[in-house]
Order: sequence, then C-alpha cells, then structure tokens
Amino acid sequence: AQSVTQLDSHVSVSEGTPVLLRCNYSSSYSPSLFWYVQHPNKGLQLLLKYTSAATLVKGINGFEAEFKKSETSFHLTKPSAHMSDAAEYFCVVSVPTYSNSGYALNFGKGTSLLVTP
Amino acid sequence: DAGVIQSPRHEVTEMGQEVTLRCKPISGHDYLFWYRQTMMRGLELLIYFNNNVPIDDSGMPEDRFSAKMPNASFSTLKIQPSEPRDSAVYFCASSFLGGSVGEQFFGPGTRLTVL
Repeated sequence: AQSVTQLDSHVSVSEGTPVLLRCNYSSSYSPSLFWYVQHPNKGLQLLLKYTSAATLVKGINGFEAEFKKSETSFHLTKPSAHMSDAAEYFCVVSVPTYSNSGYALNFGKGTSLLVTP
Repeated sequence: DAGVIQSPRHEVTEMGQEVTLRCKPISGHDYLFWYRQTMMRGLELLIYFNNNVPIDDSGMPEDRFSAKMPNASFSTLKIQPSEPRDSAVYFCASSFLGGSVGEQFFGPGTRLTVL
C-alpha cells in the first residue's frame, strides 16, 4: 500500500532562515508524490509534484523537493522563509483508484509551519 | 476559471438535523472527491465519483452519510441525522484523468459545527 509519513507535526523557523519539512513514503512501485499547502481557513493548494521525471522538483513560492529513492524520502525545502509561508503542509502520495482508471490521494498528517519575525 | 465552489462556507446546526453540503467542480473535470478534515483524523477521503457515478464510498463513515452527483456540475453530501462528532471541515475536490497524475483542485471547504 502507498502511504506517507510526515516526521514533524510542528516546525518553527525564523523569517529569512531555511525551511525543511520532512516526508518519508512507502510504496511498492515508483510513486507520484505531492506537497500541498493549506493556509488558515483556506482550501488546499498544490505546491509541487513528482511524477518520475527529474528528482529535484521546483514548485511555487520558492519551494522545492527532492525525491530520494534510496532514502524513500521527499523532503520539502525553501532557502529563506517568509512570514506568508506560515501554513499547514501536507505530503501526499497518489494511488490508483479502485477502478484503476484514475487516482486518489493519501495524505500525511500534516506539518504546521510557524514563521517568527 | 472560478475553481471548485462549495456552499455554504459555514454551517451550524443542532444534533439530529439534516445537513446538505454542496459542491460545483471545475468545468470539464470528470472526477469529484469529498474529504473530511478533523484534528484527530486529519484528511480522510469519504467518496469519489467518476463521470457522475460513485466509484468508491468505502470512506463514508456510516449510513447517515450519503452523496449524490446528479450531473457533471453539481454534487451534494448529506448527513441525516447529524451528530456532534460530524463536526469537521468538508472539502470537495475535482480532477480530470487527462491531467497531471493525481493532481486535484480543492474548494475552500465547508466548516460544519453540530451542537
């Protein structure tokens, strides 16, 4: 079964410092992996996606993630945090649907990112 | 494009009452998903539709929950009777098979409070 584990429920960084949100995946084959962000009282927005092309994936707002098969990891990073980055971040794996004609998403538990001035 | 539209944004009701949540997917999308988000359980997939047909409802918690998709542009999630433990944020998302694998577009959610 395909699943993801987010290793930190809360991460706190100072504005201007690097961000690292950790995610490990479990999959019996090459997975499709995503990071979604949820700002307070908002819906979820796709940050970036990995679908077996380049292992270093760049997303919106300066975020990027690296797929490491040997470590079964897909960590999210950003060189310099901004106050507006404070949000909930979800690591997600795509799994074939019951009918095998589409995909459903399995979400991690989420990591809450706090950015302090 | 207006994105996925959900209504109402907030709903407060009393235990035992019927609650209906509504969703309009992005035009042209052939998949529609209903999720529930709580602090305890995180994001859970309740049910999804393909071309208006329910494909997998194994995530629906119990018979009090039902979902319909009468046409490509409208879906409802109904809870009858509602209970306090149903309090959560309910998200609707849509996608299309020809799009990027697994990418879904989420609505803003409906925050349900059952007193």
